[in-house]
Amino acid sequence: DGGITQSPKYLFRKEGQNVTLSCEQNLNHDAMYWYRQDPGQGLRLIYYSQIVNDFQKGDIAEGYSVSREKKESFPLTVTSAQKNPTAFYLCASSTGTGDEKLFFGSGTQLSVL
Amino acid sequence: SQKIEQNSEALNIQEGKTATLTCNYTNYSPAYLQWYRQDPGRGPVFLLLIRENEKEKRKERLKVTFDTTLKQSLFHITASQPADSATYLCALSNSGYALNFGKGTSLLVTP
Repeated sequence: DGGITQSPKYLFRKEGQNVTLSCEQNLNHDAMYWYRQDPGQGLRLIYYSQIVNDFQKGDIAEGYSVSREKKESFPLTVTSAQKNPTAFYLCASSTGTGDEKLFFGSGTQLSVL
Repeated sequence: SQKIEQNSEALNIQEGKTATLTCNYTNYSPAYLQWYRQDPGRGPVFLLLIRENEKEKRKERLKVTFDTTLKQSLFHITASQPADSATYLCALSNSGYALNFGKGTSLLVTP
């Protein structure tokens, strides 16, 4: 089945720890995105990538890092510099930036211990 | 600053009625606008895309209107069913940039 796979579903972070959220797609999409969602809030863009080995900061990139070494994969690292990391993280992909719909993964809930 | 505003109050309606959700935006010149459905603990699912030169678009029981003068989109679900209960998100962007989303409107359809 084609789609986007996020793992893990739930993740816990200790103080001062970096954690990495996985996002893999087999849709052959060029563009991939990371959004953060807080309770009762809309989705806020963290980073996006239009092509392999290139990515751009979104509205709330501070405290996060990404890589795009393969077309299929766009992992997100939540660093210790992100002081309020508890949120629901959503990965998405599209055929390219612009007039395309987004396909979302099922999300990762990150909580701080 | 750019804003996408959706009804913050949850919308409760009876089964069989038409639900109407509103999306207003400021400081965007979108070529298109999209609507998504999100269930609790899940990722959003794409429903409809309407372009700036389209006044209305339909898909089964769904209808979307787009008024670029009023800077507003209306999303209608006719003959609503309890299974339509979810949060509905409006999304748009300036051409060439990633999508920005509203906070969503929660819809509850009761039997």
